[in-house]
Amino acid sequence: EIVLTQSPATLSLSPGERVTLSCRASQSVSSYLAWYQQKHGQAPRLLIYDASNRATGIPARFSGSGSGTDFTLTISSLEPEDFAVYYCQQRSSWPTFGQGTRLEIK
Amino acid sequence: QVQLQESGPGLVKPSETLALTCTVSGGSISSYYWSWIRQPPGKGLEWIGYVYYDGRTNYNPSLKSRVTISVDTSKKQFSVKLSSVTAADTAVFYCARGGGDHYNHYTMDVWGQGTTVTVSS
Repeated sequence: EIVLTQSPATLSLSPGERVTLSCRASQSVSSYLAWYQQKHGQAPRLLIYDASNRATGIPARFSGSGSGTDFTLTISSLEPEDFAVYYCQQRSSWPTFGQGTRLEIK
Repeated sequence: QVQLQESGPGLVKPSETLALTCTVSGGSISSYYWSWIRQPPGKGLEWIGYVYYDGRTNYNPSLKSRVTISVDTSKKQFSVKLSSVTAADTAVFYCARGGGDHYNHYTMDVWGQGTTVTVSS
């Protein structure tokens, strides 16, 4: 099983700030990594696939990068609706998810 | 716009079989991979498995012995059965779509709203 470790567990920031979330894989997953956003009581929403491609309808302030074992999700300027939990997911083998990073309002 | 809706019992007794159905509306069930994912209370996401529209399946190895996922294209539904459940199987269960023209079969771009299943006597 490929284990994904996300850091930090929680981030407290203000609207307008730039944020970078990290996801590290226990072995190389090439570029086969996605990012999802989950708001309280809602289903996850696909943001980024294959490390750096924005999903349909996702604003340009969201960007992803990385390959191999180290990946980042960057939000260039936080909007109020961006405060949520973010999960990474690999598809190099059967899918596994990271434990999530909670982005909260400072 | 494709929508997914989970349905099934919200309460299942220990040792019994959990059974849920996902109904696809507003789009085709063909040429896509249909997954089930669960999320225990306050925890992260776990992929359970998928079924392709032609009936091919793939399961999470840790659940493989207890899981069956099937598809009924005529009803535009797919289903999951999880046997011998315990309290550890209590979770929100989501159905989701993968594959198609833009995404790999493990990249899930459309999700249902989720349904809570509690395992308790």
